[in-house]
Amino acid sequence: EAGVAQSPRYKIIEKRQSVAFWCNPISGHATLYWYQQILGQGPKLLIQFQNNGVVDDSQLPKDRFSAERLKGVDSTLKIQPAKLEDSAVYLCASSDSGRVGDTQYFGPGTRLTVL
Amino acid sequence: QQPVQSPQAVILREGEDAVINCSSSKALYSVHWYRQKHGEAPVFLMILLKGGEQKGHDKISASFNEKKQQSSLYLTASQLSYSGTYFCGTERGGTGKLIFGQGTTLQVKP
Repeated sequence: EAGVAQSPRYKIIEKRQSVAFWCNPISGHATLYWYQQILGQGPKLLIQFQNNGVVDDSQLPKDRFSAERLKGVDSTLKIQPAKLEDSAVYLCASSDSGRVGDTQYFGPGTRLTVL
Repeated sequence: QQPVQSPQAVILREGEDAVINCSSSKALYSVHWYRQKHGEAPVFLMILLKGGEQKGHDKISASFNEKKQQSSLYLTASQLSYSGTYFCGTERGGTGKLIFGQGTTLQVKP
């Protein structure tokens, strides 16, 4: 079974530029999560999708971050404009149903450096 | 709201045991444990559910004290491959949303 796929793996941009990340979850998984992991910290949930609907985006900085999951499969996360503090690894995870105790499987992440 | 992990770092020799703790101030539905190696994605280890059910790795054990809202991960007879950062993720709302602790770095030396 293929795991969660993400691209690109690395991205370097200048502040105020825009950037987009792509995630393809495990086949059949209804729930998709985007996390931000700053160096030395645990992952922080940015947004959770159930199929193509948003379940939780309370921690998403909506003035600059946006995410969509069209057709309930792939997802993109966009930052526009980027700030220095956005430098982090952006992890995508998926789970079967999003119910209590469901296992989340993580992709390899995209390491973003904002200069 | 973020769970607190202790200790922050542990250094072991191969074959030694370690315990990593995760505490929450709020009532939990479940606790999830992950291990992350440098530059890699977190890898699922175990889930402990309210009510005592466990799912996960058969070589790693853990406990969940519902009264104290505390979970402990037990690493016995450690191997070099156990090195990495261990995160607990706590689930409160029943929606699958996890809040992760700050991590415990484990280094196993030969």
